[in-house]
Order: sequence, then structure tokens, then C-alpha cells
Amino acid sequence: DSGVTQTPKHLITATGQRVTLRCSPRSGDLSVYWYQQSLDQGLQFLIQYYNGEERAKGNILERFSAQQFPDLHSELNLSSLELGDSALYFCASSVGSSFNAANTGELFFGEGSRLTVL
Amino acid sequence: GNSVTQMEGPVTLSEEAFLTINCTYTATGYPSLFWYVQYPGEGLQLLLKATKADDKGSNKGFEATYRKETTSFHLEKGSVQVSDSAVYFCALPLTSGSARQLTFGSGTQLTVLP
Repeated sequence: DSGVTQTPKHLITATGQRVTLRCSPRSGDLSVYWYQQSLDQGLQFLIQYYNGEERAKGNILERFSAQQFPDLHSELNLSSLELGDSALYFCASSVGSSFNAANTGELFFGEGSRLTVL
Repeated sequence: GNSVTQMEGPVTLSEEAFLTINCTYTATGYPSLFWYVQYPGEGLQLLLKATKADDKGSNKGFEATYRKETTSFHLEKGSVQVSDSAVYFCALPLTSGSARQLTFGSGTQLTVLP
């Protein structure tokens, strides 16, 4: 158990709909990362938050947005869903936002939320 | 940004066989390198890491050596077990410097048969 909790584990919805995925990081971790895993694109970095603020953006579509709340949990909002958005969405957390001598650089991943768009 | 190229899979081996999964990288400077493993139905977890050239990371019988001359970080295990069946990902920071977000290889599915 990594200590990172993601809900829901499975979600089936229709094209054009909007969904929200939730992530609770490990206790004490300030950084949250969202990744999308699909068969054709592999594991893609979407976005990172650190202590409530956006820190880095990756290949995140404009239809997607995220935020991190004062209690450090994070939500990934996916709207105007398309068939191609079907994927496994992972949340990961870490203590800090950057590598330095005081940390291992390790990310702790949740078990993922599997989204199916029909 | 930095990138990683990973050996195509899937790989199927018999128990006690020798395993090598190739990983090469392109990066500015000498970033830390990682191997993550994803067991069926689970999230990724760190398997091992190396933070500088010539470092050898090791864990659970797996090893990988950070080789800057060949920009490689190949994963090896001398004798695989059925329980090693999983997907293995090579990874490094997306940008050199202090950024922590990782970029991952395409993953290699390993199946070990009894």
C-alpha cells in the first residue's frame, strides 16, 4: 500500500460528459502529480501541484483541469469526454517538488482510476 | 526535455532464467535514473534508482548500472521468479535540474512461466 488513495477505481461514462477523479496523497506529501496511461500513448505526465499551486504542466488537454485543495487532496476534471480519453489515470505524490540531496526522488503512485468512455 | 527509450516487449521467460530489459536515455546533464514496476492491478512502485554515473541500483535481486558512456540503464536479474511477472518502466526527470516530474519509457511486460 503506497498510501495514495484514488477514487473511483472504475468509471464508465458517455462521450460529451464530465467526470471528476479524486486523489488523496500520502500523509505529509505536498506534491501531487497526475499521469494518464493508455495503450497507444503509454504513461504521460499531465500536471503537477505543490502545496495548492500548479507547478508544472505536461501533455494535458484544455478540456482537462486540476486543482489541489488546502487539505492537499487533488481533483482532476475531465470534460467533453471523447472515446480517446479512455485510459487509466494515476495520481502520485511526493514530499517535495524537486530533487535535492534531502530526498530520494521517489514518486508514490495510487492504484489508478480506470475511465471508460462509451 | 529528457527522454527514455525502452526495449519493446512483451518478454516471456521460464523461471530461473536471466533477464535483461534495455533502457537508453537522452538527457541534459546527468539526471537520476529509475526503474519502476507495475504489478497487475496496482500502481507503479519504485524498484531501484541510481543518482550518478557508475552508480548501481539494486533491489529484490534486480540491478541496473548508470552508464553515461552508453547513456544506458539496463535492468538485469540473474534468476527470475513467477512473482516477477509485471510491467517494468525506465524513467528519468522530464527536465534536468530540479524538476521532479518523471518521464517514463513505454514499459516492458514480463511474464515468467513456472
